[in-house]
Amino acid sequence: LAKTTQPISMDSYEGQEVNITCSHNNIATNDYITWYQQFPSQGPRFIIQGYKTKVTNEVASLFIPADRKSSTLSLPRVSLSDTAVYYCLVGVSYGGATNKLIFGTGTLLAVQP
Amino acid sequence: GAVVSQHPSWVICKSGTSVKIECRSLDFQATTMFWYRQFPKQSLMLMATSNEGSKATYEQGVEKDKFLINHASLTLSTLTVTSAHPEDSSFYICSARDLPTSNYEQYFGPGTRLTVT
Repeated sequence: LAKTTQPISMDSYEGQEVNITCSHNNIATNDYITWYQQFPSQGPRFIIQGYKTKVTNEVASLFIPADRKSSTLSLPRVSLSDTAVYYCLVGVSYGGATNKLIFGTGTLLAVQP
Repeated sequence: GAVVSQHPSWVICKSGTSVKIECRSLDFQATTMFWYRQFPKQSLMLMATSNEGSKATYEQGVEKDKFLINHASLTLSTLTVTSAHPEDSSFYICSARDLPTSNYEQYFGPGTRLTVT
């Protein structure tokens, strides 16, 4: 399977904006891009989902270029509690009825005071 | 949002025994369920995809005779790790997807920590 890649780690300070990019050049044409947050020993927690252009909700924004081969999660004004691993998740078509949902390699965000 | 539960949340078993993990969608019908495995400090790796009423599709390198998946109803999928060995110790996470034509969001369970001694 082609990898969906992310930076391994990022450091930030409280109050800063953080942008995490995911490269997914084999995304299925009919599927969405979803970002999750994961704390140790817990299941992934949904952050935001989009198909193209820009999506914004109360916690984040998601920027998707026209070719959809990458996406950027933007977290405004991070706090210490945002320290976690962030994953993108994309659907990849392999010819079957159901797309395979593949996680990115994950980015460990460390927020410091 | 929709809720997916897993049971048990953690389990310790002896080498050579079998362990069953349940994944339930509590308030929606899950036509498709996914099973992932996550080793420490690694990403979630897709093990298999199952559609209700049909055989699961396993990823390359995942032994279908060792990891038995059953998706007999629209709200329940089970993963049975047969003849478990210490290298099977991992965090197993299931997820469920609602009807594909109406909702692309995927809902994750809280995970099951398996330790094989």
